[in-house]
Order: sequence, then structure tokens, then C-alpha cells
Amino acid sequence: TQLLEQSPQFLSIQEGENLTVYCNSSSVFSSLQWYRQEPGEGPVLLVTVVTGGEVKKLKRLTFQFGDARKDSSLHITAAQPGDTGLYLCAGIRGSTLGRLYFGRGTQLTVWP
Amino acid sequence: DTGVSQDPRHKITKRGQNVTFRCDPISEHNRLYWYRQTLGQGPEFLTYFQNEAQLEKSRLLSDRFSAERPKGSFSTLEIQRTEQGDSAMYLCASSFGQVYGYTFGSGTRLTVV
Repeated sequence: TQLLEQSPQFLSIQEGENLTVYCNSSSVFSSLQWYRQEPGEGPVLLVTVVTGGEVKKLKRLTFQFGDARKDSSLHITAAQPGDTGLYLCAGIRGSTLGRLYFGRGTQLTVWP
Repeated sequence: DTGVSQDPRHKITKRGQNVTFRCDPISEHNRLYWYRQTLGQGPEFLTYFQNEAQLEKSRLLSDRFSAERPKGSFSTLEIQRTEQGDSAMYLCASSFGQVYGYTFGSGTRLTVV
């Protein structure tokens, strides 16, 4: 079983629409990261959140860490075809030495 | 610095052969990680080095897998007697501390035929 559950697994939308991706767990994480991955490439870090309730914005992307540090969300405003990719959430638990636990990812396709 | 470099990018091998992958991390990063990713899954942790010390290994890392990081610089991941189930993307990442996020390489795609 995955420690981090991402939903939805697939998302296909038109350019200009808004979307939210969720990352949930029953475990507490000391920090949580979001990555974007293109086919045949490694994941690229988008953001790290470390404080419960923290909100970070990266242009049209808004990331939120849950108050209890068990969940996170990624919201994209006015999606563009360039946003297409696999979005992965990953968390570090305080008891592990930096091991990242990844969700299965959300495959986002934005159509022009 | 050109980021995390992995070599080779692709490897096709026959079942039963040994393979070795190399990872060159960002030079000032003291932590190095190996992950494995199969289709439709997020990356799964394999092992972790801090400098030259291997501090943690996943249960996924069977006796056929071994990783080294001599002198705390580059790292190698060897798979002995490869099996078809070893086919996957092998990702290397490095970091300085754990709060600032990882930098991943482009991965080595292994296909065992």
C-alpha cells in the first residue's frame, strides 16, 4: 500500500481550466515536496513545504500543506498545454533519514 | 554545475547478466539516493548515502543489488544476475540536507530481455 495517496490518477482538461490535485496520508510528514516529471526524465522539484498550513505560490501553481501535515494539495489556475506532465507528491517522515515516500502521481494532460 | 548526471541513459541486457549504473551528484551535495520507478508508479526508495556511508537500504534491495559511493563522490549501483522484473527506470538524486528538496538525474532505463 502507498503511504501517500494521490488523486485523481489521470486528469484531462482544456486550456484555461482550473484543477486541483490531492495528496493524502494517515501519516505525519516533516516536509512534503511536489515534483513534475516528463516522459523519460527524472522528476523536477517544484516546491517544498515544511510547516502545517503553509501555502506557497509559484506563478499559476498554489501548494498547500495541511494543518496536521498529513496532506497537501496542488492547485493550477488557467492551465496551459505546457503544464502537461506527471505530478508527484513526496514526503519525508521525521523518523527516516531523508527517504522520500512518493505517491503514484497524477498524469495531467492539458489540451489546447 | 550541470546537475545530477547518470550513465548510461539506456541499457538493454539479457537475463542473467550483470549491469552497473553510475551517478555523479551535484558536487556540494553530501546526500545521494537511488530510486527505482516502474510504469504507472512513483519512484520507490532503494538506498541512501551520506558522504561515503550507506545509511539505509530498502527491503526492495535484494542480495543481487549493491551500491557504493567511494570517497563520497560518484555512486554505482550494480545488479547481478538480472531478472525481467528488474526492468525499470533507475533514478539517482542528490541533496544537501533534507529540507531543500532533491535534484534528480534523468535516470537509466533498464530493459531485461
